[in-house]
Amino acid sequence: DAKTTQPPSMDCAEGRAANLPCNHSTISGNEYVYWYRQIHSQGPQYIIHGLKNNETNEMASLIITEDRKSSTLILPHATLRDTAVYYCIVRASTGNQFYFGTGTSLTVIP
Amino acid sequence: EPEVTQTPSHQVTQMGQEVILRCVPISNHLYFYWYRQILGQKVEFLVSFYNNEISEKSEIFDDQFSVERPDGSNFTLKIRSTKLEDSAMYFCASSRDNLNQPQHFGDGTRLSIL
Repeated sequence: DAKTTQPPSMDCAEGRAANLPCNHSTISGNEYVYWYRQIHSQGPQYIIHGLKNNETNEMASLIITEDRKSSTLILPHATLRDTAVYYCIVRASTGNQFYFGTGTSLTVIP
Repeated sequence: EPEVTQTPSHQVTQMGQEVILRCVPISNHLYFYWYRQILGQKVEFLVSFYNNEISEKSEIFDDQFSVERPDGSNFTLKIRSTKLEDSAMYFCASSRDNLNQPQHFGDGTRLSIL
């Protein structure tokens, strides 16, 4: 089962930063945090992942708290095309499967 | 950027018929997966495959399901005798390793059982 808790929905104004929180209070030392998103019924799209350090790529930034019990995905300048369901997933480095919860439905408003 | 491709995008099949869903994983990836998503529900893991063997499978992946890598590029999911409840989106994914590299997903095959 999913080991993460996310708000079911969020709104964000176009052009503003979208900050999506995730709680993973039972995360273990060898578990990574991954973020994916799903637009309509397309396949889940990988965004970013990290273990304990903050990470940034061309899509987003991932901020992981020092105790690793929570993280925040930041989309710096949200566009209408960022409207999607965002999934926060934790997975052990030796695991095979990703457990997808219900995610956060982000709506970017013009 | 390399991507996972799946065919067909939509498959309609009569109940009881066999169906084969096809996937071409990213070329330098070694681990392959199938997931499904019933309409309005969560994405669920079915099976993972490495070195021509199933490495993990879920309770959903019963004897009606099988996977195969028939050549160097394709990865297939076969459902032997389809049921109405098999109607879903089926997503293939691949990854370079199963340590910390992410899985990359295709856009899925919508399977409709009549």
